[in-house]
Parts: sequence; C-alpha cells; structure tokens
Amino acid sequence: EAGVAQSPRYKIIEKRQSVAFWCNPISGHATLYWYQQILGQGPKLLIQFQNNGVVDDSQLPKDRFSAERLKGVDSTLKIQPAKLEDSAVYLCASSLGKRGSTDTQYFGPGTRLTVL
Amino acid sequence: AQTVTQSQPEMSVQEAETVTLSCTYDTSESDYYLFWYKQPPSRQMILVIRQEAYKQQNATENRFSVNFQKAAKSFSLKISDSQLGDAAMYFCAYTRGNQFYFGTGTSLTVIP
Repeated sequence: EAGVAQSPRYKIIEKRQSVAFWCNPISGHATLYWYQQILGQGPKLLIQFQNNGVVDDSQLPKDRFSAERLKGVDSTLKIQPAKLEDSAVYLCASSLGKRGSTDTQYFGPGTRLTVL
Repeated sequence: AQTVTQSQPEMSVQEAETVTLSCTYDTSESDYYLFWYKQPPSRQMILVIRQEAYKQQNATENRFSVNFQKAAKSFSLKISDSQLGDAAMYFCAYTRGNQFYFGTGTSLTVIP
C-alpha cells in the first residue's frame, strides 16, 4: 500500500514569509497528525484530525500556524508569518482511527523547513 | 505535562551483539501506551514495538523486545543480534487519549 505522502520535501524561506505543507495520508486512515521536529529533539504534536474535525490543537501556535483537512483526506499546514524558530522538519502521520490514539501511526518522509 | 526521557543521546553496538536503549517517563495515569520508533537517516519514522500498560507481559517483535517496568516507569528496548540496518535514531513515545509525547531520541551506531 502507498505510504503517507508529503510535499515539498525541502523548503527555504525568509522570515516573515508564508509557507504551506501538504500531506496525503494512507487511504482509509481517519486520523491525521502534524508534528514539528526541531533538530536534536523528538517530534512534538501540533494538531490531530479525526476525519475533517480537529481532535486536539493545544500545541499549535495559532497566531501563526493553521491547518485544515477539508474533505477528511488531504491536509495542509500553513505558517504565516514564519519565524527563525520555525526551522524544523514537519512530519505528517496517519492512523486508522478505529481505536483512537492507540493506533499505530504511519509517518511520511517530512518536510524540512529552513527559515533564514 | 507528561515527559519522556531518553538519557542516552548516543549508543553504539558491535554487529551481532545486543544493545539496550533506555527510556523513562512520567505519568500519574495507569492506562496508557508506550512505543519505540526508529528513524533512519531518510527520516521516515517507523514503529518498532508497542506496549499496552495494562499488559504485564513484555512485548516482543523478532529481534526487538522491551523491558517494561510499570512501577519504575521504565521502558527499555533491547535489540538482539544487531544488524547494520538497525543504525538509526530511536525514539521512545508515550500516549494516552489524544496526547502524544516523544523523547529526544538515542542515536544508535552499529559497528561492522
């Protein structure tokens, strides 16, 4: 089966610019996650969707970050405006969602963002 | 907030030998799940093994096994017969409900 797809793989922008990341989860997976992984740290969950609804976004910096999953499939994560500290790898993951958070998560390759 | 601690930033092991990666966590809950994920240099994170806290039996997946000590809040990963392909970052993760917490990772080097 096809895995979680993410694009772009790399992105370099200047601070105060905007950027968007795209994620296509595994077909049939109801739950989608966005993580931020800063160099040298473990992934930090930003937002979790169940179908097209937000389950948890408590760690999402809502003044500059936004995410949507309009049709319950693909998702986009946007940063506007970007700051230097947003430089990180942004990981998307998906899971079946049948048993909630105890599902195995399948991760995409990530998007490496560099903010200059 | 829950915390997951991996006290070994780097570990190395000789090929075919056994290595143990440490993980401790902080929680006041009794029902939760623990995971070990592997992240090779290509950065695609994959699940290695999972453990349900209500199960006393330690999980095993082929050459990978865990030592789950609930009272001590410890969850170590043992890799037996290490192979070159085991070289990667290993992350310990805790989850309960909608909350997910990862440790800072252990970089494992396998020496031929």
